[in-house]
Amino acid sequence: DQQVKQNSPSLSVQEGRISILNCDYTNSMFDYFLWYKKYPAEGPTFLISISSIKDKNEDGRFTVFLNKSAKHLSLHIVPSQPGDSAVYFCAASEGYTGNQFYFGTGTSLTVIP
Amino acid sequence: IAGITQAPTSQILAAGRRMTLRCTQDMRHNAMYWYRQDLGLGLRLIHYSNTAGTTGKGEVPDGYSVSRANTDDFPLTLASAVPSQTSVYFCASSEEGTAPIYEQYFGPGTRLTVT
Repeated sequence: DQQVKQNSPSLSVQEGRISILNCDYTNSMFDYFLWYKKYPAEGPTFLISISSIKDKNEDGRFTVFLNKSAKHLSLHIVPSQPGDSAVYFCAASEGYTGNQFYFGTGTSLTVIP
Repeated sequence: IAGITQAPTSQILAAGRRMTLRCTQDMRHNAMYWYRQDLGLGLRLIHYSNTAGTTGKGEVPDGYSVSRANTDDFPLTLASAVPSQTSVYFCASSEEGTAPIYEQYFGPGTRLTVT
């Protein structure tokens, strides 16, 4: 059973607008969350993370929001650029261990010039 | 600077054959991981190693084995491949395998097809 879900397989956004990628999880013990970006034929690369003691973390154009009560996190990209076109995975971990990350199925973002 | 290298890039393998996927990192990271990526399932952890000499089972370990003889190498072996092991395999590493969490760095992947 998928513990981390990304219900939107794909998303298209106009360049310069905001991209919002969503992620839901079922395990209330998850307390550390990461977003990865993946280009075709490459491995995923780390983008941004957030721990459960925060509800927002910002890094340049990327902001991750965490709503623990709803078991929901989202990644905002503002402004979106064509180079942001990629597959985005969210991942979650229980406890401060790096052993067991649970990944979502990914959302393919296309930024239209 | 290579980071993480994986070999082979792709492979077609007959069912029942033995296969070892190679993974090498040059970042001196303590922890290493093997994932498989399947359509509609995301990335799932197969095995991990917190440090040289230790290994552990992830979410989907059956049919796979690993070893960690040194810091840099973390090979993944399929003793007798089955078609359900057709997937893209990613090796990853991180500075530490236990608290606090460090992000993982991924290799380029190995595309394996078992026929």
